[in-house]
Amino acid sequence: EAQVTQNPRYLITVTGKKLTVTCSQNMNHEYMSWYRQDPGLGLRQIYYSMNVEVTDKGDVPEGYKVSRKEKRNFPLILESPSPNQTSLYFCASSSGLAGLYEQYFGPGTRLTVT
Amino acid sequence: DAKTTQPPSMDCAEGRAANLPCNHSTISGNEYVYWYRQIHSQGPQYIIHGLKNNETNEMASLIITEDRKSSTLILPHATLRDTAVYYCIVRVAGTGGFKTIFGAGTRLFVKA
Repeated sequence: EAQVTQNPRYLITVTGKKLTVTCSQNMNHEYMSWYRQDPGLGLRQIYYSMNVEVTDKGDVPEGYKVSRKEKRNFPLILESPSPNQTSLYFCASSSGLAGLYEQYFGPGTRLTVT
Repeated sequence: DAKTTQPPSMDCAEGRAANLPCNHSTISGNEYVYWYRQIHSQGPQYIIHGLKNNETNEMASLIITEDRKSSTLILPHATLRDTAVYYCIVRVAGTGGFKTIFGAGTRLFVKA
């Protein structure tokens, strides 16, 4: 089954404790992306990647890191999480030139930083 | 800055067509318009996209004005399961590729 998976689905952590949220897709997609969703602010793009070793900032990259060493994986790294990073996070992937086709979204990761 | 504007909410009677408008007056010639929807806190689901021509698929139709400054998503026969937040988005070329900018979306309520 074609899908985007994220782990963990739920995470409660403390300020400053480094964490990684994994994202994996099995569709051989070139384009992958991370979003965060907050009440009243909608979905905002954090980082995106056009292909292996090619990443770029979205609208809200501060406090996050990403890497794309393999085509199928695009982990999101929070080196020193803070409470303002409490949010619902979605990973997405897309095929085609410059990722212009439909994006498939993962089920989301709900992160709470205390 | 948001590239699209949508009404915050709309109602529709079950079985009737739902017409969701979107304004994207600053859209560039090579920017596509996409529509997604999100049910509760699930991952957004792709509906349809287009550049300048009207498009139709099994879920919906997309009508883009000739000047491309606005578009309308049409759900021809809305059902209760179509109750969701609908997002109209554009893709914007960044330094490394295409960013995706979501607007605030329209919360569609389909009523029996």
